[in-house]
Amino acid sequence: AQSVAQPEDQVNVAEGNPLTVKCTYSVSGNPYLFWYVQYPNRGLQFLLKYITGDNLVKGSYGFEAEFNKSQTSFHLKKPSALVSDSALYFCAVRDQTGANNLFFGTGTRLTVIP
Amino acid sequence: DGGITQSPKYLFRKEGQNVTLSCEQNLNHDAMYWYRQDPGQGLRLIYYSQIVNDFQKGDIAEGYSVSREKKESFPLTVTSAQKNPTAFYLCASTGQGRNIQYFGAGTRLSVL
Repeated sequence: AQSVAQPEDQVNVAEGNPLTVKCTYSVSGNPYLFWYVQYPNRGLQFLLKYITGDNLVKGSYGFEAEFNKSQTSFHLKKPSALVSDSALYFCAVRDQTGANNLFFGTGTRLTVIP
Repeated sequence: DGGITQSPKYLFRKEGQNVTLSCEQNLNHDAMYWYRQDPGQGLRLIYYSQIVNDFQKGDIAEGYSVSREKKESFPLTVTSAQKNPTAFYLCASTGQGRNIQYFGAGTRLSVL
């Protein structure tokens, strides 16, 4: 069975500092991994995905994520945080059985402190 | 939120009442999904549909029903059998390749 874990419910970072939001996954076979962001009372917005290829994936709004197969991790990163990055972030893995559904983590709330 | 429209934005349900949440997409996507979001639990899949006139139960389908009569529309009915319906409901769709799901803005359902 596929699953993802986001070990931190809350991450606080000062504006201008680098940020990391952690995600680990469990799949059989090659993983399809995603990051989404959710602003208050809104739907989820796609940030980036890893399907295959380069382990460093670049996405929207200056975010990137590093796929690490040996550590089964897919951490989201940004070199310099903005106050506007404050939101709820979800990691997800795609179902490998053919239904192509997504399994989401429980989310990490990022707060960027001015 | 792209081409996915959810309505209403807020909905209130009385005891014993069925309510229907609307989801319409103009992205020409084949697959559509309904998720329930509760604080601290992430998103949980209720139902999904990969083609018209076909749908499958997700992880928490009990107390819910759906239909897929048109490609553009995937309404969700929260029945009186769902004893704890208060949540934020999100609809999503995905096209060929099904690598990226696009989400609507959500419907917040509360119980009166």
